[in-house]
Amino acid sequence: AQKITQTQPGMFVQEKEAVTLDCTYDTSDQSYGLFWYKQPSSGEMIFLIYQGSYDEQNATEGRYSLNFQKARKSANLVISASQLGDSAMYFCAMREGVIMRFGAGTRLTVKP
Amino acid sequence: EAQVTQNPRYLITVTGKKLTVTCSQNMNHEYMSWYRQDPGLGLRQIYYSMNVEVTDKGDVPEGYKVSRKEKRNFPLILESPSPNQTSLYFCASSSGLGSNQPQHFGDGTRLSIL
Repeated sequence: AQKITQTQPGMFVQEKEAVTLDCTYDTSDQSYGLFWYKQPSSGEMIFLIYQGSYDEQNATEGRYSLNFQKARKSANLVISASQLGDSAMYFCAMREGVIMRFGAGTRLTVKP
Repeated sequence: EAQVTQNPRYLITVTGKKLTVTCSQNMNHEYMSWYRQDPGLGLRQIYYSMNVEVTDKGDVPEGYKVSRKEKRNFPLILESPSPNQTSLYFCASSSGLGSNQPQHFGDGTRLSIL
């Protein structure tokens, strides 16, 4: 069964607008970590933001914030004030113990 | 500079010819892992290692071997590669298993098995 689900294969956003990338997960563990990574066309994986299952506040890192709704098992990434350089693949990932699992990714395109 | 280094970056080879993809990190990280990335499937974990001489299977280990003889190195071995192992491979490392430790990724190795 898919543990991490990203339902948006592709998204478009106008430059300077905000965009939300969806991520839902499935786990029976109480302790887990949620991550978002960016993969630009050059191929490298860039860590963006982390949310722990016990963290009560939503994580923020600059223009990135994570909308964490534990009861709904969702961890959506919000990018504010989109820039052309934000065009990339975005992956949601979950660490359960020693295992990391990734979603299929969302390709974000920022339009000028 | 802290980094994870994979070699080679690109490789085209033929079915059955053994190959090794090397991975080295200079951050003294305990945890290392290999992933393969395929379109529509995201990244899937092949093997991971919690420390020297400690390795275990991820979600897709069939057809792969690993070893961890030194802390900094974690090579991925394909003993008899097949075309279904054509993929983009990433090595990653992190400091321990604290759930808040992000993984640092290498630049990827694109393997084509003909």
